Amino acid sequence: KQEVTQIPAALSVPEGENLVLNCSFTDSAIYNLQWFRQDPGKGLTSLLLIQSSQREQTSGRLNASLDKSSGRSTLYIAASQPGDSATYLCAALGDRDDKIIFGKGTRLHILP
Amino acid sequence: EAGVAQSPRYKIIEKRQSVAFWCNPISGHATLYWYQQILGQGPKLLIQFQNNGVVDDSQLPKDRFSAERLKGVDSTLKIQPAKLEDSAVYLCASRSSREITGELFFGEGSRLTVL
Repeated sequence: KQEVTQIPAALSVPEGENLVLNCSFTDSAIYNLQWFRQDPGKGLTSLLLIQSSQREQTSGRLNASLDKSSGRSTLYIAASQPGDSATYLCAALGDRDDKIIFGKGTRLHILP
Repeated sequence: EAGVAQSPRYKIIEKRQSVAFWCNPISGHATLYWYQQILGQGPKLLIQFQNNGVVDDSQLPKDRFSAERLKGVDSTLKIQPAKLEDSAVYLCASRSSREITGELFFGEGSRLTVL
């Protein structure tokens, strides 16, 4: 049974710093891994999607990497801004079924 | 391209009352999910549809929750009777086929408060 863990649960960093959010999964048989952002009271917004055959994806200041063999994905945010404050969730789509398992998220606070 | 539509955005009811949430997925998305998200937690899958068939409803409290997806497009999630612990955001998501990207898209969610 797939389990997805995100560490840390919460993170506060000063504006301008680069930071890394971690996502680990127990079953490496994934089809893709997706990173989402959730603002308070809102739905989830897709940030990056990495297919199992890919190593990384980039969008602006965001870079997500995937290492299936070690069961890890990281989301790198460069030059953080107060507007980046939100909860970041990762989700893994199973390769053998259509189950999508979410982590509990990392609550990020960028200090002005 | 229109996104996933959900309604209502907010609903306040008293315990033992009933409530229904509606979801319209992105056009052409065969797979539809309903998630429950309690404050401070990640989304928990309630039910997954492939077209109008149920793929997974193992975590749906079937004594009070029901869901349907008639004609394989719109879906409705119903709670009857509601309990205090049902207070949560109910998120609907649809997914493109694996042959495309398998990307998951969410609606804005329906926030339920049970008093």
